[in-house]
Amino acid sequence: GAVVSQHPSRVICKSGTSVKIECRSLDFQATTMFWYRQFPKQSLMLMATSNEGSKATYEQGVEKDKFLINHASLTLSTLTVTSAHPEDSSFYICSAREDRGNSPLHFGNGTRLTVT
Amino acid sequence: AQTVTQSQPEMSVQEAETVTLSCTYDTSESDYYLFWYKQPPSRQMILVIRQEAYKQQNATENRFSVNFQKAAKSFSLKISDSQLGDAAMYFCAYRRSGDMRFGAGTRLTVKP
Repeated sequence: GAVVSQHPSRVICKSGTSVKIECRSLDFQATTMFWYRQFPKQSLMLMATSNEGSKATYEQGVEKDKFLINHASLTLSTLTVTSAHPEDSSFYICSAREDRGNSPLHFGNGTRLTVT
Repeated sequence: AQTVTQSQPEMSVQEAETVTLSCTYDTSESDYYLFWYKQPPSRQMILVIRQEAYKQQNATENRFSVNFQKAAKSFSLKISDSQLGDAAMYFCAYRRSGDMRFGAGTRLTVKP
């Protein structure tokens, strides 16, 4: 089945630094990828929609200058958390949909970010 | 905007018994997709079952089945012959054509 690889799985960084998370579709092309954030014991909240070759679409309340998204190819989207603060500590999950029909979303394994 | 509501924060079931998880959603669209995802402690999102809104027949996947009531905008998940490995968070999700929206989740505990 379709596989989405997300890297790293865990990262610890200091306040003020930036962290990049990668999301790759391994065996299919994905024009569109999605980035979700999940706080402990809560649901997945959509942060932004990543579009290959164009600007990402951010959900209301999500700072586009803080959460930089780059979708440079049909198989790779990156999320960079800039000037991270402890409140950015969360679980970040990417997902991708195959560019055909009504295929379901395939999820990466997530990245646990801890900002100290 | 579409919203997905799961009114049961926690549910418990005895091993080998049947449990039903509730989900309702709000949409003005007629063509969309509904999903149930399982999230074990590993946090991996695992697709359990999906339903296309244009299909009247309820989807089934082995021990998992849904009761899709389009007019009532209800999409419940039934797990039969519950197993210890079924213990997890279960999320109901809605998708029209792009992103997916999730409910708050139901934590399922399976008692041996």
